[in-house]
Amino acid sequence: QKEVEQNSGPLSVPEGAIASLNCTYSDRGSQSFFWYRQYSGKSPELIMFIYSNGDKEDGRFTAQLNKASQYVSLLIRDSQPSDSATYLCAGLMDNQGGKLIFGQGTELSVKP
Amino acid sequence: KAGVTQTPRYLIKTRGQQVTLSCSPISGHRSVSWYQQTPGQGLQFLFEYFSETQRNKGNFPGRFSGRQFSNSRSEMNVSTLELGDSALYLCASRPGLADYNEQFFGPGTRLTVL
Repeated sequence: QKEVEQNSGPLSVPEGAIASLNCTYSDRGSQSFFWYRQYSGKSPELIMFIYSNGDKEDGRFTAQLNKASQYVSLLIRDSQPSDSATYLCAGLMDNQGGKLIFGQGTELSVKP
Repeated sequence: KAGVTQTPRYLIKTRGQQVTLSCSPISGHRSVSWYQQTPGQGLQFLFEYFSETQRNKGNFPGRFSGRQFSNSRSEMNVSTLELGDSALYLCASRPGLADYNEQFFGPGTRLTVL
């Protein structure tokens, strides 16, 4: 079992809709989680990080963490075509320094 | 504040050669991590350096090595290149070692091994 898993996608949503991206993890010692966005041919760009149970909001983005169920999600409200990219979920594992464990990524397509 | 920079951006080598990639972190950031990204394996951690010391290493053969200098700049070396080493190599920096310290990625070096 992979340590961080994401729903495979591709995920297609219409412009203006809410896009929901999910991620599960297997290591209960995981401390923090990060969502990155990667456009084709570019490097990952940090969107948000979360380390406490509950929701964290930043503009159109909301990250949710549920440590009991071992899942992390990212909601994108009012999705725009410019949000079309691959979204990577990454976990920072306990006692492993800065080693981020990445999921395979979910490709999001926002249709005008 | 300038972002993470990596040089060179593109590199073509042949099997058996060696290569050195360079990374300059964001000013004030003391931790540098390296990752390999391939279509099949995704993003995989190579190693992290902090204060010139390697703190953690991923599951890669000894052909992959790195170092960090006193100004926090880091280099990564791959010896005896194999075709499977073709990948995007990404460097990420963060201010320190706290769990909540976000890692910011550079543009990457695209390595092609022929």
